[in-house]
Amino acid sequence: AQSVTQLGSHVSVSEGALVLLRCNYSSSVPPYLFWYVQYPNQGLQLLLKYTSAATLVKGINGFEAEFKKSETSFHLTKPSAHMSDAAEYFCAVTQGYGGATNKLIFGTGTLLAVQP
Amino acid sequence: EAQVTQNPRYLITVTGKKLTVTCSQNMNHEYMSWYRQDPGLGLRQIYYSMNVEVTDKGDVPEGYKVSRKEKRNFPLILESPSPNQTSLYFCASSLGQVVANEQFFGPGTRLTVL
Repeated sequence: AQSVTQLGSHVSVSEGALVLLRCNYSSSVPPYLFWYVQYPNQGLQLLLKYTSAATLVKGINGFEAEFKKSETSFHLTKPSAHMSDAAEYFCAVTQGYGGATNKLIFGTGTLLAVQP
Repeated sequence: EAQVTQNPRYLITVTGKKLTVTCSQNMNHEYMSWYRQDPGLGLRQIYYSMNVEVTDKGDVPEGYKVSRKEKRNFPLILESPSPNQTSLYFCASSLGQVVANEQFFGPGTRLTVL
């Protein structure tokens, strides 16, 4: 079964500093990987996704993530944090392969705080 | 505007009182799904539907029912709610059954069962 581990339930950075949110996955087949962001009192919004094309994926709001098969990782980064980046971030992997159910397996989330 | 809507957004109820949370999407998506979000557990899938009249259990289906009579609607039914169903619920939809397709999420329904 596929799974996702997010290291660090809370991450705090200063405004302008590098953002690094960690995600490791477990999958017996090539995975599709996603990062979602949840702002307070809102639903989840897709930041970016990896679908076996380029290993470096660029998303919205200046975020990007790199798929590293050897490390089974898909860490999310942003060079310079902005106050508006404060939110909860979820890494997710799809279950199954080819004709599967579209079910997303989510990590437990990382709450990002940005200090002025 | 393309969106997934849920109603109600907030609900406080008592144990055993049947309730329905509605979900509707205007994007003509085939795939719809319900998740619950609990602190420290992330989101877990309750039920999903690949198309009209086709539904199946997710990871945590106990205590829930769903139906898919129309393509746009996917209501979540709690026949006899219990306090352990207090949670934040999200409906999601996506186009077709391609796993790489983006899932669009509704704004969430915060349910409290007393």
